[in-house]
Amino acid sequence: RKEVEQDPGPFNVPEGATVAFNCTYSNSASQSFFWYRQDCRKEPKLLMSVYSSGNEDGRFTAQLNRASQYISLLIRDSKLSDSATYLCAVSPDSNYQLIWGAGTKLIIKP
Amino acid sequence: GAVVSQHPSWVICKSGTSVKIECRSLDFQATTMFWYRQFPKQSLMLMATSNEGSKATYEQGVEKDKFLINHASLTLSTLTVTSAHPEDSSFYICSARRVTSGYLTDTQYFGPGTRLTVL
Repeated sequence: RKEVEQDPGPFNVPEGATVAFNCTYSNSASQSFFWYRQDCRKEPKLLMSVYSSGNEDGRFTAQLNRASQYISLLIRDSKLSDSATYLCAVSPDSNYQLIWGAGTKLIIKP
Repeated sequence: GAVVSQHPSWVICKSGTSVKIECRSLDFQATTMFWYRQFPKQSLMLMATSNEGSKATYEQGVEKDKFLINHASLTLSTLTVTSAHPEDSSFYICSARRVTSGYLTDTQYFGPGTRLTVL
């Protein structure tokens, strides 16, 4: 079992729809959780940190479920510009190395 | 947000030459930087963790004599690909760990990457 697993993609979604990504992690002692987005041939960019209480930033909502060991990302009212690969990252220990999921590609269609 | 620069953004070199890539944190100090490699349509692969003032920690399967890392200051880490070969062609990305206090957790910020092509 991989340490961090994401939904296989790609997700083809019409503009304006709501899309949800899930990411599971195997290490129950994991400390920190993040969502990044990566555009084609670009570096990953931090989208959101994921806190225990959940957090929201505009159309984006991230949640953490420690009991079931997964994090989620919800995108509402999706835009064409949301098309990208979404990566989840988990920090398993105090060294703060990030363990990366393979990413889920999102394609928003007009 | 924090800014991390990487230089060069792309490089084409002949087989057998060495290539140095610089990673700088521009507006914060980074005691820890990370070097990743990414092949097309694949996820990020951590190569090594670079710690200021000490030796880098390499991931399993990454040759430390081939990928030399130097983290000489709190804002600069360099990766040198020695005697590069075509199979070393890849997208190399660095990240710098920014430590914040209080509620916020440590976060990694990425440089824009270096696309290396070895002929």
